[in-house]
Amino acid sequence: ETVLTQSPGTLSLSPGERATLSCRASQSVSSTFLAWYQQKPGQAPRLLIYGASSRAPGIPDRFSGSGSGTDFTLTISRLEPEDFAVYYCQQYGSSPLTFGGGTKVEIK
Amino acid sequence: EVQLVESGGGLVKPGGSLRLSCAASGFTFSSYPMIWVRQAPGKGLEWVSSISSGGTSTDYADSLKGRFTISRDNAKNSLYVQMNSLRVEDTAVYYCARGIGSYPKYYFDYWGQGTVVTVSS
Repeated sequence: ETVLTQSPGTLSLSPGERATLSCRASQSVSSTFLAWYQQKPGQAPRLLIYGASSRAPGIPDRFSGSGSGTDFTLTISRLEPEDFAVYYCQQYGSSPLTFGGGTKVEIK
Repeated sequence: EVQLVESGGGLVKPGGSLRLSCAASGFTFSSYPMIWVRQAPGKGLEWVSSISSGGTSTDYADSLKGRFTISRDNAKNSLYVQMNSLRVEDTAVYYCARGIGSYPKYYFDYWGQGTVVTVSS
């Protein structure tokens, strides 16, 4: 099983600041099969990024993904008020499909 | 517009059973794999089970094998999961999601709003 470790657990930032979220895999994720999701309280997750760096339809370009192998990053270039949420990475390169534990981006 | 609507959640005693349903609309259901993901209260996301577009291939989290059974009815645009021998630790919001990719390597582009399952005596 590929274990995904997200860091930090909580990120306290102000609107307009840059957010950098990390997702580290216990083994190499094949073919950059890594996705990122955003979840707000009481809502279902929303797909942001797939294939490590491809934005899903309708996702603003302030969201970007990068990385390969075991180290992946989600960057939000300038935080908007609606971006404060929990973010999860998910690998789909091998079964079982696994998620990271999440990073909460909160308002400082 | 893609819509996924889960139903069937509720309160059940340990050892009991429950069948969740997910009604899909707005896309060609039979062309997509489907997935169940759950989220325990205050916790992260956990993949539960996947089923291929035709229903011939299924996959389960190791901890659930033998207790949960995923199925689909493409004529009814519906996804199901039969949950038996439920445990307190199965308490969660259960989401259905549409899969993208080749079996069993999926990411999820649309999600339902979830249905709550509570296992308690």
